[in-house]
Amino acid sequence: QKEVEQDPGPLSVPEGAIVSLNCTYSNSAFQYFMWYRQYSRKGPELLMYTYSSGNKEDGRFTAQVDKSSKYISLFIRDSQPSDSATYLCAMSDGDRGSTLGRLYFGRGTQLTVWP
Amino acid sequence: EPEVTQTPSHQVTQMGQEVILRCVPISNHLYFYWYRQILGQKVEFLVSFYNNEISEKSEIFDDQFSVERPDGSNFTLKIRSTKLEDSAMYFCASSGNLLGMTNQPQHFGDGTRLSIL
Repeated sequence: QKEVEQDPGPLSVPEGAIVSLNCTYSNSAFQYFMWYRQYSRKGPELLMYTYSSGNKEDGRFTAQVDKSSKYISLFIRDSQPSDSATYLCAMSDGDRGSTLGRLYFGRGTQLTVWP
Repeated sequence: EPEVTQTPSHQVTQMGQEVILRCVPISNHLYFYWYRQILGQKVEFLVSFYNNEISEKSEIFDDQFSVERPDGSNFTLKIRSTKLEDSAMYFCASSGNLLGMTNQPQHFGDGTRLSIL
């Protein structure tokens, strides 16, 4: 069963806080991990994309993957009100040439950053 | 930045009617997808399409659904006889180009909200 679990929140933090968002999964075949941000009435917007275990940093965002624990995280430093959105984790087993193939999504965590 | 565009943004249809949702993927992408999101639930994969044929489909994608790439730019999802439970957001996505990069992630459109009455 290719299940991805994600706490839906809601999560409410003050501006400037460090935010930690997490997902767990059960399928050890997953190798590619993504975080998408979804604003209200918009589509998922790719935020971070990582392969296998390790860390990846992009500005205020850091994605971590621990394949041994089947656990992925997204950290947002110095959070801003504009970060208020729903954050979706997604993953894939890849191996379809130039594309990842179908993605398996978590339920999404609703984040509010208040000024 | 290139983007995936979807039309219409909102479609209201009577149960039993046919509906066609339209998408223009990113122009140099080769793989196309449809996902749906029922209110309050996860985004779910429906189908992937490559080289003018379905490459993968989920258990949701039954005989009521079909996809087509009628020309070089559009990608459509047709639901033949809509049911109340088809009410959802439908997202189109695209990925993969000829630049030799493997395992490229998908980029999504803003979706079509389908309401079945």
